[in-house]
Amino acid sequence: TQLLEQSPQFLSIQEGENLTVYCNSSSVFSSLQWYRQEPGEGPVLLVTVVTGGEVKKLKRLTFQFGDARKDSSLHITAAQPGDTGLYLCAGARGGFKTIFGAGTRLFVKA
Amino acid sequence: GAVVSQHPSWVICKSGTSVKIECRSLDFQATTMFWYRQFPKQSLMLMATSNEGSKATYEQGVEKDKFLINHASLTLSTLTVTSAHPEDSSFYICSAPHSKGTVYEQYFGPGTRLTVT
Repeated sequence: TQLLEQSPQFLSIQEGENLTVYCNSSSVFSSLQWYRQEPGEGPVLLVTVVTGGEVKKLKRLTFQFGDARKDSSLHITAAQPGDTGLYLCAGARGGFKTIFGAGTRLFVKA
Repeated sequence: GAVVSQHPSWVICKSGTSVKIECRSLDFQATTMFWYRQFPKQSLMLMATSNEGSKATYEQGVEKDKFLINHASLTLSTLTVTSAHPEDSSFYICSAPHSKGTVYEQYFGPGTRLTVT
């Protein structure tokens, strides 16, 4: 059972387009992280959201945590080829263990 | 930020031999570390939780006698793939949780690509 559902699983877009990736669950999380992974490398932490309704911005990336802390979204504005990669959301319920979504593979064409 | 290293970054071994992969937290201590396996174009699959001073906890379906985990210190965990076979070829990644205020964030190593011939 996948406790964290990510959608879409794959996205191929043109440079300059906007996109949104969703991460949904029926469970409440104390915090949620977003990672980006490039081929042959480990995932790199992009952001952590903790408070329901929280919005964080990282340059062209906007992250939002749902009010009920069960879901999150990642919006990329004016995507660039350098944004290509696997985006993973991960939820924690307190403690060390983190639950990962299946990932969204993004390909941005120049 | 917190840094996690892995060694080696890639390894090729013959079928039947054992391979050891190291995971180190460089600038923080980690009583717990996690080991993942990742197949091409797929997400991370948690294999086991490594605990300093006690036995590792393995996820369902992961053979503990095949994937030996030792958490030797507060900064080092090792994964040994014993009697490796070609189907063990994969990308292995470790992570260590690091406290940031009231939450823990996972910091990942760069991964180890294992090829068994």
